[in-house]
Amino acid sequence: GAVVSQHPSWVICKSGTSVKIECRSLDFQATTMFWYRQFPKQSLMLMATSNEGSKATYEQGVEKDKFLINHASLTLSTLTVTSAHPEDSSFYICSARGLRLGGDSSYNSPLHFGNGTRLTVT
Amino acid sequence: KQEVTQIPAALSVPEGENLVLNCSFTDSAIYNLQWFRQDPGKGLTSLLLIQSSQREQTSGRLNASLDKSSGRSTLYIAASQPGDSATYLCAVRESNFGNEKLTFGTGTRLTIIP
Repeated sequence: GAVVSQHPSWVICKSGTSVKIECRSLDFQATTMFWYRQFPKQSLMLMATSNEGSKATYEQGVEKDKFLINHASLTLSTLTVTSAHPEDSSFYICSARGLRLGGDSSYNSPLHFGNGTRLTVT
Repeated sequence: KQEVTQIPAALSVPEGENLVLNCSFTDSAIYNLQWFRQDPGKGLTSLLLIQSSQREQTSGRLNASLDKSSGRSTLYIAASQPGDSATYLCAVRESNFGNEKLTFGTGTRLTIIP
């Protein structure tokens, strides 16, 4: 089945530093990748949608200058948390929807999720 | 604004029992609904995807139903096993073409007692 790899799985950083999280689709081409954030005991909240080769679309309330997203290839998207603060500590999860061979739109394909990155800012 | 609710928030059942998890959503104009499983500190594993035109999907011991008009979905797990212990999330995708935003429920934390 489709595999999405997310790295690192956890990271601890000091306040004010930047952290980059990678999301890779290992066995399919991901035209669209999604970045979610999950606070403890809460559900996933979509932060942004990234399409290969174009600018990401951010959800309301998400600062695009703070959460930089790059989707430079069909297999890699990165999320950089710039000047991280303790309130940015959260579980970040990426997901991807792949190209379906055979002509059908990929819109009916299920999303595949990475294993998430636990970010702790001290 | 779409809101997704899952009740109960937590459920414990003895091994071997059948169980039902509930998901309700406020806006019935959905494109599809997906059930996920999340293990502690991990990402999500897709279990079942139901298109808006479908009534149910089955995979092994899992059966998901969808009643779009009433804004409800259920996930039925037969003959539960300890390995089924996890948090189960449902998510709906909005209807607009090109809008792939998923709205998630807060999940049901399931514990199967050996």
